[in-house]
Amino acid sequence: KQEVTQIPAALSVPEGENLVLNCSFTDSAIYNLQWFRQDPGKGLTSLLLIQSSQREQTSGRLNASLDKSSGRSTLYIAASQPGDSATYLCAARFSGNTGKLIFGQGTTLQVKP
Amino acid sequence: DGGITQSPKYLFRKEGQNVTLSCEQNLNHDAMYWYRQDPGQGLRLIYYSQIVNDFQKGDIAEGYSVSREKKESFPLTVTSAQKNPTAFYLCASSKGLAGETQYFGPGTRLLVL
Repeated sequence: KQEVTQIPAALSVPEGENLVLNCSFTDSAIYNLQWFRQDPGKGLTSLLLIQSSQREQTSGRLNASLDKSSGRSTLYIAASQPGDSATYLCAARFSGNTGKLIFGQGTTLQVKP
Repeated sequence: DGGITQSPKYLFRKEGQNVTLSCEQNLNHDAMYWYRQDPGQGLRLIYYSQIVNDFQKGDIAEGYSVSREKKESFPLTVTSAQKNPTAFYLCASSKGLAGETQYFGPGTRLLVL
């Protein structure tokens, strides 16, 4: 069964800290992996998309990596700010699953001033 | 502004009633999706559509129906057969099904009276 897991469910850090969010998946036949941000009661905002042929993607203070052999992706946030507080979701598209994203449960991040 | 709109923001359903959630996009995307989000869980795919007049069941299609008569619109009907409809419903779109980024609407929260 293809599954995506995010641990921990919640994380609290002081402002300015660098942090890593984890995402693991059960099938190495992954097509791509996408990281999203969700603010309370809102829709999802796409942050980064990593194709299976790539090892990482960067956007500003965000860097996402993909390791198919270990079944892991990480989202690195540099110099965290209170405005980064949100729930972060990863979602994987596996080969053969046309159009279907499988989501993790999300990690809720709180950055304290 | 290009984007995805969902309406209403909140919807109340009575027992035995069918309700329809609206999703419209002006991104000229071919593919559209409906997801359900429950507290503490990731998103689960209800239905998706690759092109006009075509749609496929996702993981939790029972009790739901969709139509895709226009490229811009992908309404979701929650029927009386869906016994636990209370959730946050999210619509998304992408250029196609070949692994492109999915863009999400703001969501509709459905509550049962």
